[in-house]
Amino acid sequence: AQTVTQSQPEMSVQEAETVTLSCTYDTSESDYYLFWYKQPPSRQMILVIRQEAYKQQNATENRFSVNFQKAAKSFSLKISDSQLGDAAMYFCAYRNLYGNKLVFGAGTILRVKS
Amino acid sequence: EPEVTQTPSHQVTQMGQEVILRCVPISNHLYFYWYRQILGQKVEFLVSFYNNEISEKSEIFDDQFSVERPDGSNFTLKIRSTKLEDSAMYFCASRDKGLAENNEQFFGPGTRLTVL
Repeated sequence: AQTVTQSQPEMSVQEAETVTLSCTYDTSESDYYLFWYKQPPSRQMILVIRQEAYKQQNATENRFSVNFQKAAKSFSLKISDSQLGDAAMYFCAYRNLYGNKLVFGAGTILRVKS
Repeated sequence: EPEVTQTPSHQVTQMGQEVILRCVPISNHLYFYWYRQILGQKVEFLVSFYNNEISEKSEIFDDQFSVERPDGSNFTLKIRSTKLEDSAMYFCASRDKGLAENNEQFFGPGTRLTVL
């Protein structure tokens, strides 16, 4: 079974600075998807960024980018120019290529200081 | 922008009672999901539903749980006899049938279930 591990329960960043959230996963599949979801205090899950494992290029979405290291099974999220609105719980998630379910990590609480 | 909606936002029930959590997925989506998040813990998959039947379920999804798409728009999760440990946030999600590029699951805002 696939597992996702987020080893940082909580992180803090100063507004306008950069922060990196870590995620590792375990799978025997060669093709799959990886995601970062944001869960603000409202509790709604919002997709931040998605990476296809068969794509070597790291995904980017505005201030959000990932460092995908397939051999190391590592998928970190970098948030540049952090804003107060970035404060939330961030979940790393995995899905098999043809699978149904998302497998989530335990989450990392990100606090942004002004 | 289309979105997944869920009702109620908060449900309080007595242990042993039946509850039905309701979701309206995005209208052209064909895959539907329920996830659960116990307070302070990770989000866990419960069940996926496609073509009017369960396509996958987790160990959590035992005989006390059932899902239904009664009228082509709503997607419901029923818990027959609630236990204290069913207290959690329940998220509904849906996705389009499309190719890999369209595999995003869109989540609803969740229903907080409190079992007393």
